[in-house]
Amino acid sequence: NAGVTQTPKFRILKIGQSMTLQCTQDMNHNYMYWYRQDPGMGLKLIYYSVGAGITDKGEVPNGYNVSRSTTEDFPLRLELAAPSQTSVYFCASSTDGQRPQFFGPGTRLTVL
Amino acid sequence: AQSVTQLGSHVSVSEGALVLLRCNYSSSVPPYLFWYVQYPNQGLQLLLKYTSAATLVKGINGFEAEFKKSETSFHLTKPSAHMSDAAEYFCAVRGNTGGFKTIFGAGTRLFVKA
Repeated sequence: NAGVTQTPKFRILKIGQSMTLQCTQDMNHNYMYWYRQDPGMGLKLIYYSVGAGITDKGEVPNGYNVSRSTTEDFPLRLELAAPSQTSVYFCASSTDGQRPQFFGPGTRLTVL
Repeated sequence: AQSVTQLGSHVSVSEGALVLLRCNYSSSVPPYLFWYVQYPNQGLQLLLKYTSAATLVKGINGFEAEFKKSETSFHLTKPSAHMSDAAEYFCAVRGNTGGFKTIFGAGTRLFVKA
């Protein structure tokens, strides 16, 4: 049982480039989340999904897109990378909205 | 609406000393409260949770937290710090009626001195 896995672990992008952060969970969780973590700021919710085919915006969705075609996968897309998107990105999942979340190891993204 | 305030971005204790990490919350409905721990270069792990049962909650690694409604607090304690406790700790809150969004505090980094 791998839990929540994220790839890549690290990435450097140039301004204007695009990329997809991958997230997969093998716990058959319905709920999945994307957060960004900036120093001293805690975690901010970017997007979330309550099941395959259903996604919605969190607190800071601008500049990002998501899709949820399967229960297992919840990729996060950055279309036009900006320096403000330099952060550590965490994917998480939970059985439902009331259960604690399980987190992946994170992706450290730098935009130069 | 919910919010969380963690008092102190950094806390330093000696090995064997009491650990006290402070968390105050604001919630318009009865809350669920969580403490998560993040070790360097890792994701967050659940340490313990309060879901309206016992007000004193015991978690992993000897940590516990007490829900005090009158003080709107959910402070995390451990009687004796160990070097392996050095990490960042996050308090989080969500409402227990409808919705599910979890609000995280800014985090407190715990340093343990030998």
